[in-house]
Amino acid sequence: KNQVEQSPQSLIILEGKNCTLQCNYTVSPFSNLRWYKQDTGRGPVSLTIMTFSENTKSNGRYTATLDADTKQSSLHITASQLSDSASYICVVTKGNNRLAFGKGNQVVVIP
Amino acid sequence: DVKVTQSSRYLVKRTGEKVFLECVQDMDHENMFWYRQDPGLGLRLIYFSYDVKMKEKGDIPEGYSVSREKKERFSLILESASTNQTSMYLCASSSPGQGTINYGYTFGSGTRLTVV
Repeated sequence: KNQVEQSPQSLIILEGKNCTLQCNYTVSPFSNLRWYKQDTGRGPVSLTIMTFSENTKSNGRYTATLDADTKQSSLHITASQLSDSASYICVVTKGNNRLAFGKGNQVVVIP
Repeated sequence: DVKVTQSSRYLVKRTGEKVFLECVQDMDHENMFWYRQDPGLGLRLIYFSYDVKMKEKGDIPEGYSVSREKKERFSLILESASTNQTSMYLCASSSPGQGTINYGYTFGSGTRLTVV
């Protein structure tokens, strides 16, 4: 079973609307959690990183939250733009320095 | 701006060829990684290195080898390319920082390899 589960697998939203992506993980011990944005055909680009003691982190219109007790994270996109169309990947660093990757949330923003 | 640079965006090779994928980082990071990314499977770790001339197998090392002769360069080698190695290959580097391991984890732009 994958240690990092993301939902929804894909979604379509109207330009200007908000959306929230979910990430549930079972990794233990846990060092940090990141969200990456990956445009089609490109490498992932870091949006946020949070350690277990942090519960929110913002990067422009992107806001990530973390609940280390329930092992859940979310990424909220505010006032979506066409350029937000991408795959968003949740990544958890395990205690052995390895990373556990979610399979991504595919977001499509339409005008 | 810090960078992880992969030498090729697109590569087409024939079955049986020896293939070299090059990755260079300019951040003086100790750790470097090679992943492949396939639809429905996400990113999977092939090999990684924590120091020059050091390498460790990841989750799917079969059919691959690596070389790290200098701190800034990490090469992935396909000794005899096969069609099931057609994939997107991503290099990454990281360094401890901010009190947590792998803090500055940066990916390259990827190499789309097609083996025909």
